[in-house]
Amino acid sequence: DAKTTQPNSMESNEEEPVHLPCNHSTISGTDYIHWYRQLPSQGPEYVIHGLTSNVNNRMASLAIAEDRKSSTLILHRATLRDAAVYYCILRALHMNYGGSQGNLIFGKGTKLSVKP
Amino acid sequence: DAGVTQSPTHLIKTRGQQVTLRCSPKSGHDTVSWYQQALGQGPQFIFQYYEEEERQRGNFPDRFSGHQFPNYSSELNVNALLLGDSALYLCASSLLGLGGGSGANVLTFGAGSRLTVL
Repeated sequence: DAKTTQPNSMESNEEEPVHLPCNHSTISGTDYIHWYRQLPSQGPEYVIHGLTSNVNNRMASLAIAEDRKSSTLILHRATLRDAAVYYCILRALHMNYGGSQGNLIFGKGTKLSVKP
Repeated sequence: DAGVTQSPTHLIKTRGQQVTLRCSPKSGHDTVSWYQQALGQGPQFIFQYYEEEERQRGNFPDRFSGHQFPNYSSELNVNALLLGDSALYLCASSLLGLGGGSGANVLTFGAGSRLTVL
């Protein structure tokens, strides 16, 4: 899986939008972009993923650059419960049974703090 | 619908001992992966089990071994514990199914087992 680069930390105010950037300049044409987050004292939690087009779900939006070398996770209205470490991860499109299907390569992620 | 459950939640061992951690995957999932997370770091992949076989392994020594049972649950065993094995051990499940996997496949993680080695 290709490498991603994220800021170490970010701060946000409650009820304001948050834009979490991720650079992945070596992404291949078939890599999916995944985002997970890890709240304190919990395991990572899936947030959203996409391939080429922007994606929305109940938790967040994912904006993918046209050249796919970067992406942004958007939390539309941050709450105190969104304070977590956010990980941006790339995953190959097709993986064999012996391949990297289970192997998420985590970096250090971005620690998001939300101020009341 | 229960998610991934892990046991025990916390345990303390001494150097040289052996430990077994257990994981029940999310209902409907057939694949289990194990991760080690040291304090302040992202999780590191240990290995993945599918159809009761180890399918892929990360950069961990043979002291780390595992097993998957017919009901898809899994165990992680660590022998000859070292101080550096102190970490949060995470289990994640997913559905590999018949398609051989996809980059869109999503993992569900448990809350982890916190191991302290003294």
